[in-house]
Amino acid sequence: AQSVSQHNHHVILSEAASLELGCNYSYGGTVNLFWYVQYPGQHLQLLLKYFSGDPLVKGIKGFEAEFIKSKFSFNLRKPSVQWSDTAEYFCAVIHGSGNTGKLIFGQGTTLQVKP
Amino acid sequence: DARVTQTPRHKVTEMGQEVTMRCQPILGHNTVFWYRQTMMQGLELLAYFRNRAPLDDSGMPKDRFSAEMPDATLATLKIQPSEPRDSAVYFCASGRIGAGTGVGGELFFGEGSRLTVL
Repeated sequence: AQSVSQHNHHVILSEAASLELGCNYSYGGTVNLFWYVQYPGQHLQLLLKYFSGDPLVKGIKGFEAEFIKSKFSFNLRKPSVQWSDTAEYFCAVIHGSGNTGKLIFGQGTTLQVKP
Repeated sequence: DARVTQTPRHKVTEMGQEVTMRCQPILGHNTVFWYRQTMMQGLELLAYFRNRAPLDDSGMPKDRFSAEMPDATLATLKIQPSEPRDSAVYFCASGRIGAGTGVGGELFFGEGSRLTVL
């Protein structure tokens, strides 16, 4: 079965530290890749997405992610985190042709940024 | 601003009672997903619809859960009878996905329905 794995379940950083959250997926065909963020008490919002083209994708709030096809990875990065980045981060993959693709989420990574 | 609307936002009920959650997707979106979020399991896909037709409900306990889309503006998720282990936040999300949309996949999430079954 297709799956999405996020390696870090809970990350604690100080402000200004650099962030990298790992994401690997198991599907070998064409995929679209996403990172969503869920701030405390809120719903999920899109951070960034990769459909095709440049494998380095820029998102909102200074986040970026790199798609490495050979490694089936789509890691999320930010050079300098802020306290307001405290949230849960979800990697997601959609694959499949035609009308049957479904969006699968990883387990999520909780990021806590200390002021 | 177009948004996905879910009701109720909060529901507390007793074991054995029927619970119905409703979702109004964004106009023009052809795909609607129901997810359940818990601390232990994270985000689980329960069911999803494409052009109102159910495509996959394998993530849903069939004996007590049912999902329908009676029209393009309403998706429902029903639990009957409810059990304490159903306590979770249920999210509805909609998007444009599939043939003619470049696969797509960007979903817009509702605020969620927080269900507590006592």
